[in-house]
Amino acid sequence: DAGVIQSPRHEVTEMGQEVTLRCKPISGHNSLFWYRQTMMRGLELLIYFNNNVPIDDSGMPEDRFSAKMPNASFSTLKIQPSEPRDSAVYFCASSRTGGQLDPYEQYFGPGTRLTVT
Amino acid sequence: DAKTTQPPSMDCAEGRAANLPCNHSTISGNEYVYWYRQIHSQGPQYIIHGLKNNETNEMASLIITEDRKSSTLILPHATLRDTAVYYCIVRVALRNTDKLIFGTGTRLQVFP
Repeated sequence: DAGVIQSPRHEVTEMGQEVTLRCKPISGHNSLFWYRQTMMRGLELLIYFNNNVPIDDSGMPEDRFSAKMPNASFSTLKIQPSEPRDSAVYFCASSRTGGQLDPYEQYFGPGTRLTVT
Repeated sequence: DAKTTQPPSMDCAEGRAANLPCNHSTISGNEYVYWYRQIHSQGPQYIIHGLKNNETNEMASLIITEDRKSSTLILPHATLRDTAVYYCIVRVALRNTDKLIFGTGTRLQVFP
């Protein structure tokens, strides 16, 4: 398996522009997670989906951020308009979940390094 | 989920065992202990997890105290490639609450 695929790997954009980050989870995984990592705040969970349905978006910083998962093999995280404080590494992760006592692991992608100038 | 406390940094000589402690004094009976690590510029990687018993796999061993209030991750023969940030996480495995909450972790530096 190719693992979790993220694109682009690097994105540089100007303040006010729309940014779209993409993720392809591992085939067969039914949960998908978006994280953001900065030096100041560490690794933060933004939102996660289970069976393509958003379960918890309490980590989404504000209305400028939105995430979709139109099917089991694709998800996007959009920032509109972008701001310099959005500069961070954004990770996507996927897992296979099910059952109350089903320990599992999350598989992370390589991340997208976003710089907003 | 219970909160964890880890030292911010540790050093270890190459070839020696690295013992990374984690305190989780408020852990509940149905919470698992997970360890992940993050090598520079990469996404976090799962290492091991456990509930009550000690666990071992090809990467590491996990020792959980009898009262489950603390645990230790052991890398038996550390190499330079083990230099990373190690995260200790406790998690309840419940349907539809499958999220992991990462703290600040321990930055392990393995030196020659």
